[in-house]
Amino acid sequence: AQSVTQLDSQVPVFEEAPVELRCNYSSSVSVYLFWYVQYPNQGLQLLLKYLSGSTLVKGINGFEAEFNKSQTSFHLRKPSVHISDTAEYFCAVISTGGGNKLTFGTGTQLKVEL
Amino acid sequence: NAGVMQNPRHLVRRRGQEARLRCSPMKGHSHVYWYRQLPEEGLKFMVYLQKENIIDESGMPKERFSAEFPKEGPSILRIQQVVRGDSAAYFCASSPIGDRAYGEQYFGPGTRLTVT
Repeated sequence: AQSVTQLDSQVPVFEEAPVELRCNYSSSVSVYLFWYVQYPNQGLQLLLKYLSGSTLVKGINGFEAEFNKSQTSFHLRKPSVHISDTAEYFCAVISTGGGNKLTFGTGTQLKVEL
Repeated sequence: NAGVMQNPRHLVRRRGQEARLRCSPMKGHSHVYWYRQLPEEGLKFMVYLQKENIIDESGMPKERFSAEFPKEGPSILRIQQVVRGDSAAYFCASSPIGDRAYGEQYFGPGTRLTVT
């Protein structure tokens, strides 16, 4: 079984400032990792994913995330945020060995202010 | 290429009624997943279906909930005798293959169910 922890339920940040959204996971097996974004009243959109290889992955809209196996973390970062980045961000994992169900964290609401 | 379609977008039911939620996967996708998002919580897996088959229903409540994905037509999530605790957003996702190596699922806009 897997679990995902997103400790920050809300992150306020000023426009053009950098941001980091934290994600830690727990699993007894290897996992693949994902970040999804949910804009108000919309479905989830995939931002980026880590399957293997380089631990730094780049996604859409200028976001990137770094997989740290020893710390079981997959934090999401953006060097300079925009008002349009205001949304809810979900970290998710899926077992590499079986099943197709994504396990999600509880989400982090990013609020970008002028 | 149309994305995952869900309807209705909003559904209001009184306690004891039935709710039917529909999901049309992306063109070429034959795998459908249903997730439920309760207020202040993340999405929780409910069921994974292929055409005419339920592959994994480990997240489905044991009673009142059922899902199907017929050979023709959309996938249906049915909730019988709804209760207030069923109020949530229900998301459908689809994928082209059941390839665990990628786990990439495409989500619909969701159906927001309100039980009064």
